[in-house]
Amino acid sequence: DTEVTQTPKHLVMGMTNKKSLKCEQHMGHRAMYWYKQKAKKPPELMFVYSYEKLSINESVPSRFSPECPNSSLLNLHLHALQPEDSALYLCASSQDPDRDTGELFFGEGSRLTVL
Amino acid sequence: GESVGLHLPTLSVQEGDNSIINCAYSNSASDYFIWYKQESGKGPQFIIDIRSNMDKRQGQRVTVLLNKTVKHLSLQIAATQPGDSAVYFCAENDPYNAGNMLTFGGGTRLMVKP
Repeated sequence: DTEVTQTPKHLVMGMTNKKSLKCEQHMGHRAMYWYKQKAKKPPELMFVYSYEKLSINESVPSRFSPECPNSSLLNLHLHALQPEDSALYLCASSQDPDRDTGELFFGEGSRLTVL
Repeated sequence: GESVGLHLPTLSVQEGDNSIINCAYSNSASDYFIWYKQESGKGPQFIIDIRSNMDKRQGQRVTVLLNKTVKHLSLQIAATQPGDSAVYFCAENDPYNAGNMLTFGGGTRLMVKP
């Protein structure tokens, strides 16, 4: 079982809705990530948080707004999304942001459908 | 830009046979590589990793080989089982990127025939 928990597992929303995806880990990891994965494609990095601070934003549109309330939680706020934003959104964590390399632990993902 | 890619999108093997999944990378600065397994409806699961100062690393039933000369990475699965059916991604890390950022290859679907 993964130690990174994502909720909800499935989400359907309209283009005018506001919703949030949530991610939680209790492994004491200090780096957390959001990835987007389209069907039959590899995960693509969206955001990286290091020590609860946003360190990397891969030119993601502002309709996606990340938030890291504390070292265990990571949110992704969604507003005015487009149908092409429908995808699997994966949260991941890693132990030490100061290390150049290290395993990422992934959650099971939140499957988002935008109507 | 530079990217990680895979040769074969789908690999079909007989149960009990050995599987080899290949990955070509183009970023010569990458110094860390990971193989992930992703089953349908699940997140990627770590299988094995290797650093650039090594050319081979073995785990339980899996072996990763790294050939830096030709920028090639492979995952070998011994005695493939039905539970090995999944999509396999290689991923690389460029040390010149800030922090721990993995770039994923395109993925290979492994299908195990009983």
